[in-house]
Amino acid sequence: NAGVTQTPKFQVLKTGQSMTLQCAQDMNHNSMYWYRQDPGMGLRLIYYSASEGTTDKGEVPNGYNVSRLNKREFSLRLESAAPSQTSVYFCASSPGPSYEQYFGPGTRLTVT
Amino acid sequence: QQPVQSPQAVILREGEDAVINCSSSKALYSVHWYRQKHGEAPIFLMILLKGGEQKGHDKISASFNEKKQQSSLYLTASQLSYSGTYFCGTEWSVIKAAGNKLTFGGGTRVLVKP
Repeated sequence: NAGVTQTPKFQVLKTGQSMTLQCAQDMNHNSMYWYRQDPGMGLRLIYYSASEGTTDKGEVPNGYNVSRLNKREFSLRLESAAPSQTSVYFCASSPGPSYEQYFGPGTRLTVT
Repeated sequence: QQPVQSPQAVILREGEDAVINCSSSKALYSVHWYRQKHGEAPIFLMILLKGGEQKGHDKISASFNEKKQQSSLYLTASQLSYSGTYFCGTEWSVIKAAGNKLTFGGGTRVLVKP
């Protein structure tokens, strides 16, 4: 039982490059989330998926797209990376409303 | 709107107590508490729900004042392992179709010294 896994763990991009962050959970959770955390700051919600087949914007969706591929997997895509997207990205999953969220180990992304 | 946490930082000696507060300007349905150690992912501690239900660890205590839209997390007889940054996450309504969309506070850094 791996919980929530994320790939890659580290990534360096140049401005304008694109990439996809992968997230998978093996807990049969309905809801999945993508957050970003800037140094010394709290977590900000980028996108979430309340259930398979649905996605919705969070607080800071600009510059990102998501795909809920199936119940297990939720990917985050940066189409044209910018230095302002340098951050640590966490994926999380939850059984549903008012249940705890389980976080993956994070991806450290640097955009130069 | 982001909930406001106070204090921003606290330094304790082992065995001392501390209280971390989380305030919201909007009516809350639930408050979630997480702890994050440096370089690691946040770990769930506690959920407090409107109406008084709590889910979480036995050794962590917290309160939820629905009228004041505030929650407090109590660190009692602190241990070195309590060091980290504590975040509250607030949930304004429970709509099953919307998952539990949390808005997190800016965090409270806790350092417990021997």
